[in-house]
Amino acid sequence: GIQVEQSPPDLILQEGANSTLRCNFSDSVNNLQWFHQNPWGQLINLFYIPSGTKQNGRLSATTVATERYSLLYISSSQTTDSGVYFCAITDGSSNTGKLIFGQGTTLQVKP
Amino acid sequence: GAVVSQHPSWVICKSGTSVKIECRSLDFQATTMFWYRQFPKQSLMLMATSNEGSKATYEQGVEKDKFLINHASLTLSTLTVTSAHPEDSSFYICSARLTRSSYNEQFFGPGTRLTVL
Repeated sequence: GIQVEQSPPDLILQEGANSTLRCNFSDSVNNLQWFHQNPWGQLINLFYIPSGTKQNGRLSATTVATERYSLLYISSSQTTDSGVYFCAITDGSSNTGKLIFGQGTTLQVKP
Repeated sequence: GAVVSQHPSWVICKSGTSVKIECRSLDFQATTMFWYRQFPKQSLMLMATSNEGSKATYEQGVEKDKFLINHASLTLSTLTVTSAHPEDSSFYICSARLTRSSYNEQFFGPGTRLTVL
């Protein structure tokens, strides 16, 4: 089946720093979403981005579907950005809509 | 918009009892909902796909008789953990799919933390 790999697995930043999280996938996708899981476990939708570039405040994301990767950029990080960031995709050969999650990147932003 | 609720947010039960978890899409209709399980410091693992008006589709290795899923309306899916045992203790999360034309985004509930004593 399709594989989703995220890097780095862990990231520690000083408040105010910028970072780039990467998501590689092994086959074509219909859907790609980025989530932030907060300390209480809630998954917050960041981007729905099967292709192209989007920006929302200090966050932006780019998906290059032909090269099978997506990047999440966090600028001027804040302590509230801490948590786990997941990339999830739906297989391009399937119409079930099932999301396949990467293992996540755990981000810690220090004050 | 696109809010999904789950109830209860946490539950503690004795071994052998059954627990029902509700997942509701509050401001949209969802013909498809999904149930996930997450262990500490791990990623989400899909358990089953819940389809309104039909039987759920379970992932390989998930016991359908232990994890009963009912999707009786376009805004409600329920997961019942039957005869729960300590190894069923986990964080259970549901999602609902918002579909418009080729747009197909999933929104997640806040999760239910189950502890079986």
